[in-house]
Amino acid sequence: EPEVTQTPSHQVTQMGQEVILRCVPISNHLYFYWYRQILGQKVEFLVSFYNNEISEKSEIFDDQFSVERPDGSNFTLKIRSTKLEDSAMYFCATQGIDTQYFGPGTRLTVL
Amino acid sequence: RKEVEQDPGPFNVPEGATVAFNCTYSNSASQSFFWYRQDCRKEPKLLMSVYSSGNEDGRFTAQLNRASQYISLLIRDSKLSDSATYLCVVSRGSAGNNRKLIWGLGTSLAVNP
Repeated sequence: EPEVTQTPSHQVTQMGQEVILRCVPISNHLYFYWYRQILGQKVEFLVSFYNNEISEKSEIFDDQFSVERPDGSNFTLKIRSTKLEDSAMYFCATQGIDTQYFGPGTRLTVL
Repeated sequence: RKEVEQDPGPFNVPEGATVAFNCTYSNSASQSFFWYRQDCRKEPKLLMSVYSSGNEDGRFTAQLNRASQYISLLIRDSKLSDSATYLCVVSRGSAGNNRKLIWGLGTSLAVNP
C-alpha cells in the first residue's frame, strides 16, 4: 500500500534557526497538507497546497512558514526562524479520493 | 467555542465492554466527518468515515446527526488493542477536492484486561 513518508523523524534545533521538514507524498495525489500537533493538544491545520501553490493557510501559518515542492517529488515545510512554541509534531498528509493519508510525522524540538 | 468538541476522557473499560464516544461540531458548513485513531506519539489513522445513514465496520459503528451537529462512535466487545485516542474530525472544502480537516482534542480510551 502506498504511503506518505517524512524526514527526519526527529529534529532538534536552536531557537532562531531555520528548519526544513520533508515529505514524500503518495505519487498520484494532488493535494498536500501540513498539520501540527503540540504535545497534549489537538491536531491543527497549517496549510494546503495544490498545483504548486498554497490553496489555504491558517492563522498559525505566518511569514515564518513557507512550503514548496522543489523537485516534483518532495513537499517541504520551512520554518525560517524557529521559536520555542514551534516545538510540535508536524504531519504531512495527502488527499486521496475521500480520505487524507498521513505520514509518520517529524518531531521538532526547539531549544 | 471549539469547532469540534469531544469529552477528553479518559475512558477506562474492561475487555469486552461496549463504549460510546460523542462529538459535536459547530460549523454547519462542515461537509465530511471522520473518526481517526491515534496511538501515543504516532500519526492519526483513519478509523472510519461517518455518514448520516450510519455505518458499521466490524465492532465499530459510527453515526452522524446533521440536524444536531452530533457524531458518535460505538465500539462493541472492546479489545486491549483498542486502547488509543479517538479523534473526531470534520472537513470543509474550498476549491476542487481541497479539504481542510478540523480536529477535536480526542477521547482517550484504555481497555483493561
